Amino acid sequence: QQQVKQSPQSLIVQKGGISIINCAYENTAFDYFPWYQQFPGKGPALLIAIRPDVSEKKEGRFTISFNKSAKQFSLHIMDSQPGDSATYFCAASVYDGNEKLTFGTGTRLTIIP
Amino acid sequence: ETGVTQSPTHLIKTRGQQVTLRCSSQSGHNTVSWYQQALGQGPQFIFQYYREEENGRGNFPPRFSGLQFPNYSSELNVNALELDDSALYLCASSLGTVSYNEQFFGPGTRLTVL
Repeated sequence: QQQVKQSPQSLIVQKGGISIINCAYENTAFDYFPWYQQFPGKGPALLIAIRPDVSEKKEGRFTISFNKSAKQFSLHIMDSQPGDSATYFCAASVYDGNEKLTFGTGTRLTIIP
Repeated sequence: ETGVTQSPTHLIKTRGQQVTLRCSSQSGHNTVSWYQQALGQGPQFIFQYYREEENGRGNFPPRFSGLQFPNYSSELNVNALELDDSALYLCASSLGTVSYNEQFFGPGTRLTVL
């Protein structure tokens, strides 16, 4: 059962544009929603994370928007740069004695000049 | 500060064999989680070790087992390898098991089962 659905599968954005990746979840007990960035040959690295008590979190060019009633959250990358080209994963977790992350299927982002 | 390291980088095995993958956690971290990432998919949680004890397990059969050592490094063992076990195996370390603790991932071990 896929508990976190991510779209689109791939995304091409022009340099300077806005990249938007969406995720939807089913388990209302989730209380931590991180986004990870993965470059080829590397492990995922935490980019930004949000808890459901806020609707938006911004760190530099990266913003998470969170809609608790719709059970959706999204990543916005402003002024996208070629160095942002990577695979992005949304994830969710709930602490029940351990913190296991449930990942989406990933979005391959390509920023073109 | 040393990051999470994994060995080997790549591994090729045949169906039915056994494999051991190794992970050294980041300095000061006492918790290691293992994930399986199939090609084109997100990582899936296998299990977590905290202070040498298994602390939670995902939907993986018993032929996936692990260990954590007193220095908090960890091993993932897979017996009776199947073709579907071909994947990137990631370990992640964190400090404790409380919520919102960032998990730091290693570069992974690419396992190919023929």
